[in-house]
Amino acid sequence: DGGITQSPKYLFRKEGQNVTLSCEQNLNHDAMYWYRQDPGQGLRLIYYSQIVNDFQKGDIAEGYSVSREKKESFPLTVTSAQKNPTAFYLCASRTILQGPEQPQHFGDGTRLSIL
Amino acid sequence: ELKVEQNPLFLSMQEGKNYTIYCNYSTTSDRLYWYRQDPGKSLESLFVLLSNGAVKQEGRLMASLDTKARLSTLHITAAVHDLSATYFCAVDNSRGNKLVFGAGTILRVKS
Repeated sequence: DGGITQSPKYLFRKEGQNVTLSCEQNLNHDAMYWYRQDPGQGLRLIYYSQIVNDFQKGDIAEGYSVSREKKESFPLTVTSAQKNPTAFYLCASRTILQGPEQPQHFGDGTRLSIL
Repeated sequence: ELKVEQNPLFLSMQEGKNYTIYCNYSTTSDRLYWYRQDPGKSLESLFVLLSNGAVKQEGRLMASLDTKARLSTLHITAAVHDLSATYFCAVDNSRGNKLVFGAGTILRVKS
């Protein structure tokens, strides 16, 4: 079955540590996205990528970094510069060629907490 | 800058009743999406609305889009407990390369 796989499901970060969240898709989608979700708020865009080896900052990119070396993979690193990383992180992907009638598809998320 | 507002943010309904969730946005767009999220889970796509006057229906849910008023509605008919979830609207920005989400409406349907 095609889909988006995020791992791990739960992650704990020690102070000063960088952690990496994995996102893999086998939908052959061009665009991939990372969102952060905090309680009582909608999703906020961290980074997005529409093509391999290219990515753009979203609205809250500070303290995060990404790479897009392969079409199917878009890992997110939460660096020690992100002082409040506790949140639910969602990865999404979307086809571009088929037009806007195709919505973004989401993974099951990673819940990150501070130790 | 595109902003998306939903109201109400919390809705407690009795089973069998009707209600409407509203989604307003601040700049021109003709691409609007509705998603459902169950607690601790991912987002599931419900509706894609791509033109003025678009109306989509699935079961007890019906979504519409008025691009001139910059307003979308999600109407719930004869609510049932299974509809309890958080509902998000999201609007494509003018370049069509990213979505801006509303804060979400938490819907609780009481038996």
